[in-house]
Order: sequence, then C-alpha cells, then structure tokens
Amino acid sequence: TQLLEQSPQFLSIQEGENLTVYCNSSSVFSSLQWYRQEPGEGPVLLVTVVTGGEVKKLKRLTFQFGDARKDSSLHITAAQPGDTGLYLCAGAKRGSNYKLTFGKGTLLTVNP
Amino acid sequence: SAVISQKPSRDICQRGTSLTIQCQVDSQVTMMFWYRQQPGQSLTLIATANQGSEATYESGFVIDKFPISRPNLTFSTLTVSNMSPEDSSIYLCSVVPAGIQETQYFGPGTRLLVL
Repeated sequence: TQLLEQSPQFLSIQEGENLTVYCNSSSVFSSLQWYRQEPGEGPVLLVTVVTGGEVKKLKRLTFQFGDARKDSSLHITAAQPGDTGLYLCAGAKRGSNYKLTFGKGTLLTVNP
Repeated sequence: SAVISQKPSRDICQRGTSLTIQCQVDSQVTMMFWYRQQPGQSLTLIATANQGSEATYESGFVIDKFPISRPNLTFSTLTVSNMSPEDSSIYLCSVVPAGIQETQYFGPGTRLLVL
C-alpha cells in the first residue's frame, strides 16, 4: 500500500499552461516536502510545509498543505520548459526520526 | 542548506563484485540516510546511517547486502555487496542539517549499472 498517493504520474503540457499535482494520504504528517529532480541529478528541495492550511509561493509555484495535514498540492502557473522534471512529494511523521516517505512522483514535460 | 558530494558519480560493475559509495557533507548534520532509486521509480529508504554504531535498516534491506559506516558527523559510506543486475539503480545519500528540522537535502547520486 502506497502511503502517499501522488497524481498524475505523467503530465505533458504546452508552455504557458497551468497545472496542479496532488499528493494524498490517509495518514497525518508533521511536515511535507516537495522536490524536483532532473535527469542525472539528485532531488532538489523546493519547499517544506509544516502547518495545516499553509500556503507557500515560490515564484510561479504555489504549494498548499491541507488543513488536516494529510494532503498537499503543487500548482504551477504559466509553465515553462525549464519546469520539466520529476516532482516528488515526501512526508515525515512525528517521532519517525526525520524519515521520509515518498510518493511515486509526477514526471512533467513542458513542451515549447 | 548543506553541500553534499558523492563518489563515485557513476560506475559500471560486474556481477558478484562490491562497490563502496562515499557521501561527504560540508557541515554537521543530525541525520544521514541512504536511498535507492530504481530506473523510472521514486525513492526507497535503505537505512539510517548512525554515527559510531550499526545502521538502522528498513524492511527488505539487510546489513550483509548493504553494509553502512558513519565514522563521524559528516561522512558515510554505503557498500553494495555481491552485486547483481537488479542492483542497478541510483543510490542517494541525504542529510538533515543540524538545527534545521523537518528538511532533508540530497546528494547528486551515484548511478550504478551492474552487468
């Protein structure tokens, strides 16, 4: 059973379009992190959200943590080819010694 | 954040051999972890590298196959032993920097191909 369900698994869009990636669970997390990974590289941290209902913005990226701290979303406005990559959500549970559980990832391709 | 380096960055190995991967951080960290990312897949936690003591392994991973050392706060090694083609993966170390909770930073990864 996948603890963190991430959707969609694949997404191919045109430059300028908007998109949303979802990360859902039946479990409560103390924090949730979003990473982007490009081919041949390690995951790069985009944001950490820790408070239920929290919204964080990073330029064209908007991250939201659900009120119950069970789900999160990543919204990209006016996607650009440079946004292409594998987007991963990962949750940490209180008392888990900082261990992360990863979703399966969303492979985003933004076509020029 | 923390600057993390891994050596080697990639390798091609013969089945039955072993490879040791090094992870070095430029600052003190609270926790160090090792992950595996199989082709086209997400990340799976192998173990927590504990300083000066045996690593804590996740279900499905054992010390004989993946021995881990962490002699100090900023350095760890992962050995992939008696390799088979199924061990072909990206191996990643990650750290939780001292004083920064709830956040892990990843190294660039080691790409391993076993023939």
